[in-house]
Amino acid sequence: NAGVTQTPKFRILKIGQSMTLQCTQDMNHNYMYWYRQDPGMGLKLIYYSVGAGITDKGEVPNGYNVSRSTTEDFPLRLELAAPSQTSVYFCASSYASQGYTFGSGTRLTVV
Amino acid sequence: DQQVKQNSPSLSVQEGRISILNCDYTNSMFDYFLWYKKYPAEGPTFLISISSIKDKNEDGRFTVFLNKSAKHLSLHIVPSQPGDSAVYFCAASSLSGGSNYKLTFGKGTLLTVNP
Repeated sequence: NAGVTQTPKFRILKIGQSMTLQCTQDMNHNYMYWYRQDPGMGLKLIYYSVGAGITDKGEVPNGYNVSRSTTEDFPLRLELAAPSQTSVYFCASSYASQGYTFGSGTRLTVV
Repeated sequence: DQQVKQNSPSLSVQEGRISILNCDYTNSMFDYFLWYKKYPAEGPTFLISISSIKDKNEDGRFTVFLNKSAKHLSLHIVPSQPGDSAVYFCAASSLSGGSNYKLTFGKGTLLTVNP
């Protein structure tokens, strides 16, 4: 039972490069979320999805895009990386009001 | 504007004693509250939750208390163990407000339990 799997675990990007952070869950959860955590800060919601084909913006969506073509996958796309996007990114999934299951995170550095 | 506040960045307690982590919120629409525990290089893990219809929820060594009038909740860990050393995040949601179960997190409190 893998839960929520995020890849890669670490990545260094140059300014202006693009990349996709992958997130897959095997619990058949409808709800999926992307958060970022900056040092000394709480987790801030970037995008979320309530089901396949449905996505919506969270608190800090600028510079990111998402898609949800299947229940299992919820990739996060950075098109033009900027130093302000240096952070740890967490993907999570949930079934209704039950607590989230988080992935182990992707540590991204933009230089 | 921080809607969920954890004003203590860190807390240090002795093994066997009680740990009390505090959390305040400003949004009166919040009606569901959760605590998460996070070890370094891992994702947060769900610890315990409480609905606004209750004022206490207990699970083993962990108890969460909710004071709606003060918009305050606290997590009690008794007895504290060295393995409890981690960052604890308070989170809140508005289930009745159709939040789609989005959580708003505090900044976290680093708990250190000394042997």
